[in-house]
Amino acid sequence: AAGVIQSPRHLIKEKRETATLKCYPIPRHDTVYWYQQGPGQDPQFLISFYEKMQSDKGSIPDRFSAQQFSDYHSELNMSSLELGDSALYFCASSFGVAGGYEQYFGPGTRLTVT
Amino acid sequence: AQKVTQAQTEISVVEKEDVTLDCVYETRDTTYYLFWYKQPPSGELVFLIRRNSFDEQNEISGRYSWNFQKSTSSFNFTITASQVVDSAVYFCALRPNYGGSQGNLIFGKGTKLSVKP
Repeated sequence: AAGVIQSPRHLIKEKRETATLKCYPIPRHDTVYWYQQGPGQDPQFLISFYEKMQSDKGSIPDRFSAQQFSDYHSELNMSSLELGDSALYFCASSFGVAGGYEQYFGPGTRLTVT
Repeated sequence: AQKVTQAQTEISVVEKEDVTLDCVYETRDTTYYLFWYKQPPSGELVFLIRRNSFDEQNEISGRYSWNFQKSTSSFNFTITASQVVDSAVYFCALRPNYGGSQGNLIFGKGTKLSVKP
C-alpha cells in the first residue's frame, strides 16, 4: 500500500539558510499535518491543512510557513534556520478531519543545522 | 487542558517477558480519540491502534493488547511474550474532537522499551 512520502530524507543546512521540506500524502487523503520532533522529545504539532486550507496551527515559528497545493502535497518552508531547528520533521496524512481518522506518518526528514 | 502522561521513561525486559506501558490522559472533551504509535530506532512512527472515547472494549491483536478505562483516564498497552523486535519508543497520543475542529495529536513523552535476548 502507498505510504506518505517525504523528501528529502536528510538535509544539512547552515545557520540562517532556508530549507524546504516536501510531503506527498497517501492517495485520496485530503489532510496533511506537520510535526517536529527534537532529539529525545515527543513530536510537536506545527500546522495542518485540509483541502488546501490551513486548518489548525500549533507551535510553528514565524520563520516557518507551509502550504498545501492542488494535488494535496504540502511544503514546509523554513527560513533563517537556527541550531535549535535541528530535528526530525514528520508529515502525516489522513482522510477527513474528524478526530477519529488515523494519521499515517511519513518516514520523516532529518534536518541538521550547523 | 489536554495532556498525555507516560510516567515510564524507560523499561528494560528480557525476551518472552510480558510488559505493560502506562498512559494517562487529561481532557475536558467528551469525545476524543486515543492512539498508540511505535517508533523503532529507524525513526518512523508506526500506527498501532486507535480507540474512541465511547468504546471501552479492550482490544487484542496478536501479542498486543490495550486496556482502556475511562474511570481512571488510562489507556495502557501490554505486550505479551516480548521479542527483541519490540524494542522501540512507544508513544501514546490524544486527539480531541472539539466542535469538529481538525484536532492534532497530543503526544506523551514516550516510553523507551528495550527487550534483551
